Amino acid sequence: EVQLVESGGGLVQPGGSLRLSCAVSGFTFSSYWVHWVRQAPGKGLVWVARISNDARTTTYADSVKGRFTISRDNAKNTLYLQMNSLRVEDTAVYFCTRASGYFDLWGRGTLVTVSA
Amino acid sequence: DIVMTQSPDSLAVSLGERATINCKSSQSVLYSSSNKNYLAWYQQKPGQPPKVLINWASTRESGVPDRFSGSGSGTDFTLTISSLQAEDVAVYYCEQYYTAPYTFGQGTKLEIK
Repeated sequence: EVQLVESGGGLVQPGGSLRLSCAVSGFTFSSYWVHWVRQAPGKGLVWVARISNDARTTTYADSVKGRFTISRDNAKNTLYLQMNSLRVEDTAVYFCTRASGYFDLWGRGTLVTVSA
Repeated sequence: DIVMTQSPDSLAVSLGERATINCKSSQSVLYSSSNKNYLAWYQQKPGQPPKVLINWASTRESGVPDRFSGSGSGTDFTLTISSLQAEDVAVYYCEQYYTAPYTFGQGTKLEIK
């Protein structure tokens, strides 16, 4: 089955860190760019970061630049998002998504809550 | 950054009637060398991830009912549902993938009248 499954979300205090994972199956992971998109509770979709299929290119939204790091392990078919210096405004469901230009396949998301 | 603006923010349409959602980008998302508009439409139902309906502004994704159609070019785009069904109640987003940062419209909430 073609799918992406996120994990690693949870409750963290402001200033803390969290590492999200996205396990991929059913397609050739190493052929695709993949992204993280987040959605705060009751709000819209916001793009966070992307990584090229060979991991040589990464790009970030200004709101997370310098705090978040996207990476991937093609041998393990897994995408990661290391989130440091978390802020209350980072509270959201984080989706991993495959790109064929547009986002053609999405995981169900993992909830990150940043609160004291 | 390219700003995507949808209208209206919410919409109530009777079953079987047409629903139209508009999306405007702050700059063109038409890539001249390919003559393709880098614009997609997504549907999101409560508790679910987004699902792509339309890509390249007017290409229906495989498996999407043909009552959904996309049109437009450059900076102005439209998603049309020709005959609203109960299962179409959702929030709809446009998104540009012309350049990073990729940006979404604020969403349009579609309800049954």
